Amino acid sequence: KNEVEQSPQNLTAQEGEFITINCSYSVGISALHWLQQHPGGGIVSLFMLSSGKKKHGRLIATINIQEKHSSLHITASHPRDSAVYICGGGSNYKLTFGKGTLLTVNP
Amino acid sequence: DVKVTQSSRYLVKRTGEKVFLECVQDMDHENMFWYRQDPGLGLRLIYFSYDVKMKEKGDIPEGYSVSREKKERFSLILESASTNQTSMYLCASRLRAGGQETQYFGPGTRLLVL
Repeated sequence: KNEVEQSPQNLTAQEGEFITINCSYSVGISALHWLQQHPGGGIVSLFMLSSGKKKHGRLIATINIQEKHSSLHITASHPRDSAVYICGGGSNYKLTFGKGTLLTVNP
Repeated sequence: DVKVTQSSRYLVKRTGEKVFLECVQDMDHENMFWYRQDPGLGLRLIYFSYDVKMKEKGDIPEGYSVSREKKERFSLILESASTNQTSMYLCASRLRAGGQETQYFGPGTRLLVL
């Protein structure tokens, strides 16, 4: 069983919608990462969280350590947000990643 | 901007060949990583290097070795390529500062082993 689970696996939204992607983990972690991967492979690191909430532009990431759960929110979604979003948790150098959520935002 | 480059975007090799994948970063980061990414399995860590000549095994090191002779360069070696090593290989370097860390990924090398 994967130690990091993401939901949903696929998500289709209309431009402007508020989007939530969830990440649950069963292992103890010191930090949780959110990554974005566009078609063609390039991966960009969005957030690293160890507690609370972080915001960057239209992206918000939250983490609840007690519930072992993190969410990535996108406000006012845009077609350019279409990508695979990956969460990963761990300690030091070893991260365990989820399988990713494929987000498609239609105009 | 941090730049992580990988020697090839696409590579086709034959079973049994020795394969070298090169990764170079230009930001003087101490930590570098090699991952492979497969459909349905996600990103998995092969090896990590925390400094020159220093390495740690990741989750799936079997069939791979690494070399870090210079800080900016981290090489992944497939000693004898096999078809189950067909995958997307991603290199990353890591910046750690003030309790925060960011991994910077290369564009990936899609390796096909025939």
